[in-house]
Amino acid sequence: DIRMTQSPASLSASLGETVNIECLASEDIYSDLAWYQQKPGKSPQLLIYNANSLQNGVPSRFSGSGSGTQYSLKINSLQSEDVATYFCQQYNNYPFTFGSGTKLEIK
Amino acid sequence: EVQLVESGGGLVQPGRSLKLSCAASGFTFSNYYMAWVRQAPKKGLEWVATISTSGSRTYYPDSVKGRFTISRDNAKSSLYLQMNSLKSEDTATYYCARPGGTTNYFDYWGQGVMVTVSS
Repeated sequence: DIRMTQSPASLSASLGETVNIECLASEDIYSDLAWYQQKPGKSPQLLIYNANSLQNGVPSRFSGSGSGTQYSLKINSLQSEDVATYFCQQYNNYPFTFGSGTKLEIK
Repeated sequence: EVQLVESGGGLVQPGRSLKLSCAASGFTFSNYYMAWVRQAPKKGLEWVATISTSGSRTYYPDSVKGRFTISRDNAKSSLYLQMNSLKSEDTATYYCARPGGTTNYFDYWGQGVMVTVSS
């Protein structure tokens, strides 16, 4: 199984700041990487797919990058509504696996 | 508007069975693979099962293989998850999810249904 190591586990940042969340795959996943946002008590929502493609309706302050085994999610100009837990997911191989999540809070 | 609505959750004793349903609307159900993803309380996400458009191919992680069965009824735009020999570690919120296009990221999720396995 492909292991997805996500960091940091939690993050506190100020409004307007830029934050980065990392995801490291245990093997090459050829950019088959998605990022999700899950707000408290809600279902996950797709933000980014294919490592760097922005899902329709997602604000442009979200962006994804990376290749091979290393990927990152960047949030520019942090807003209060960005408080959530963020997960990465690889879909290059079965079984699909998720990172353990990054809980983002406002400082 | 794409909608996925799960039902069938509840409290069940270890070793017993439960069947979840997901009613889909707002898209051509028969054109899409479908999946179940679960989340244990205060934990991360775990993919549980995927089924092909016709239902002829199914995929599971080792943690549920042989105990869970995913199925679908394209005429009813419905997805199912039959869960047998339930264990306490199966306690989770179960989400019905739609893979996007020809790939396997999940672009739509249901609201989730809670399954609690406890005596």
